[in-house]
Amino acid sequence: AQSVTQPDIHITVSEGASLELRCNYSYGATPYLFWYVQSPGQGLQLLLKYFSGDTLVQGIKGFEAEFKRSQSSFNLRKPSVHWSDAAEYFCAVADYGGSQGNLIFGKGTKLSVKP
Amino acid sequence: DTAVSQTPKYLVTQMGNDKSIKCEQNLGHDTMYWYKQDSKKFLKIMFSYNNKELIINETVPNRFSPKSPDKAHLNLHINSLELGDSAVYFCASSQGVVAFFGQGTRLTVV
Repeated sequence: AQSVTQPDIHITVSEGASLELRCNYSYGATPYLFWYVQSPGQGLQLLLKYFSGDTLVQGIKGFEAEFKRSQSSFNLRKPSVHWSDAAEYFCAVADYGGSQGNLIFGKGTKLSVKP
Repeated sequence: DTAVSQTPKYLVTQMGNDKSIKCEQNLGHDTMYWYKQDSKKFLKIMFSYNNKELIINETVPNRFSPKSPDKAHLNLHINSLELGDSAVYFCASSQGVVAFFGQGTRLTVV
């Protein structure tokens, strides 16, 4: 069955430090992969997506992610974290059954940023 | 000009009541969804509608009934609310696989 694993429940980084959030997926076909961010009390905002092509994808707010098929991973990175990046981050894979897909989410990684 | 809007944002109600959450999207998308986020922040799909037709119906109690009057609206009606229904409910829409989410409705059953 398709699944997404985010191994880190909570990560704390210092402002200005680099960030990497891990995501591993299990999917039989070519995956459509996503990272969403949920700020406290807010909805989910799409950061970036991977469908095909270049394995390094750029997103909003200075985030990027790299798709590695050999490792079944899609890790999210940011070179320098800002205090406003503190939020919950969700990796997801589209379960593309039929003509539409629904999203299978990981359990999320909470990012805290210390001054 | 909110793309996917849900009302209400907060809903506190007693056990046994019936309540509805409304969702509207102005993106012209064909597919709409309801997701449930539990107290541990885990997100799981409940329903998917495409052009007003039910596509996905995950293992959800039949007290939950989605209604799509047109392709821009997908409402969620919940009968006989239970304590375990307390969660944040997210509406989303997509054209293909890229989903856009509403702000969520925090339902608290007391």
